[in-house]
Amino acid sequence: NAGVTQTPKFQVLKTGQSMTLQCAQDMNHEYMSWYRQDPGMGLRLIHYSVGAGITDQGEVPNGYNVSRSTTEDFPLRLLSAAPSQTSVYFCASSVGAGEPRKFFGPGTRLTVL
Amino acid sequence: GESVGLHLPTLSVQEGDNSIINCAYSNSASDYFIWYKQESGKGPQFIIDIRSNMDKRQGQRVTVLLNKTVKHLSLQIAATQPGDSAVYFCAENMHSGYSTLTFGKGTMLLVSP
Repeated sequence: NAGVTQTPKFQVLKTGQSMTLQCAQDMNHEYMSWYRQDPGMGLRLIHYSVGAGITDQGEVPNGYNVSRSTTEDFPLRLLSAAPSQTSVYFCASSVGAGEPRKFFGPGTRLTVL
Repeated sequence: GESVGLHLPTLSVQEGDNSIINCAYSNSASDYFIWYKQESGKGPQFIIDIRSNMDKRQGQRVTVLLNKTVKHLSLQIAATQPGDSAVYFCAENMHSGYSTLTFGKGTMLLVSP
């Protein structure tokens, strides 16, 4: 199993541009989520999904959209990037919605100029 | 961009020493706790977990202690090795239907040979 994979690894955007961060997992996990990590702070939950077709907001959802059309994929969309979205983004999955142990991807480092 | 390690409390030890990393958690209703290790440029990696009905759990070279009276969690690493150098996060889970992890800000462990 590849586990949780993310692409791209690095990305630089200009303010106002849009992009999609990709996340995929091959463990047949029901639950997938997106976190952002900023210097000196812990990981903060952006959005999560408890199964295909079901998504919900986390702690810091503004400026981000998600969808879950398949069990395997959970893309994160930035519709109009802002410098405040400069961060490292991690996708995580778990067996089920009630399972606390999350498996993390390698991250995407995003810089918005 | 800035490393996630900047602004973090740092513990510096010599190879072979025992390390103790501490974490204060916030919610007395949290039922499950996890320690994650994050090496530079990588995603968080599960180390060990403990449920709230336990006060100690041991793994390979690691021990987690839970003191619910003062809402304190610690990670003990025996015979610390240079490969243990990383940022360590504690996370608490309050299971209210869906599992939601809240992460601490992390501690950087530096191991000198």
